[in-house]
Amino acid sequence: QQPVQSPQAVILREGEDAVINCSSSKALYSVHWYRQKHGEAPVFLMILLKGGEQKGHDKISASFNEKKQQSSLYLTASQLSYSGTYFCGTERETGTASKLTFGTGTRLQVTL
Amino acid sequence: AAGVIQSPRHLIKEKRETATLKCYPIPRHDTVYWYQQGPGQDPQFLISFYEKMQSDKGSIPDRFSAQQFSDYHSELNMSSLELGDSALYFCASRSTGGDLYGYTFGSGTRLTVV
Repeated sequence: QQPVQSPQAVILREGEDAVINCSSSKALYSVHWYRQKHGEAPVFLMILLKGGEQKGHDKISASFNEKKQQSSLYLTASQLSYSGTYFCGTERETGTASKLTFGTGTRLQVTL
Repeated sequence: AAGVIQSPRHLIKEKRETATLKCYPIPRHDTVYWYQQGPGQDPQFLISFYEKMQSDKGSIPDRFSAQQFSDYHSELNMSSLELGDSALYFCASRSTGGDLYGYTFGSGTRLTVV
């Protein structure tokens, strides 16, 4: 039931682009994306609600295909600060009963 | 802006001891979540509270208990500690009225059981 992310790890040179995918076997209400640096707390990047929307800010954007229960995170013109582990998090319902189930994670390393 | 405050940051306990982790959510956030993250693993949901009532329970051992107090801070109590309980424990808070907002995580408590 845990969302599966791909790839598991990716190494980029600064300025390159990357796509991280998140796939769930269950119907979803929303998908979150978080970035976590080693030993630190996950930091919220964005949330996508069911409806097939695409969101983004700066050089990071994401899409959510509700029918396929899949989401993708797009990182363009990567910077060294993008390094970390990216987690998608899924919610199957909203409101007081909602909870986040984290995906398997994608380790991203950006090098010079 | 106020963040989620967790204490202590680090905790070393011996096997079979007890530990209490504290979490102070962002003011006006009505939901608190506890997660456990082992080395190299994704965060695992333990338990959540909405308006001081337990709202959901995940893979939390019976040796663990948690509650949320009238001032909205939450405590995770862990007894009969085992080596496998060594992990990062995160607390997160959220306003359920804001579907557009994600979870705000505290800096975590690193528990080491020796």
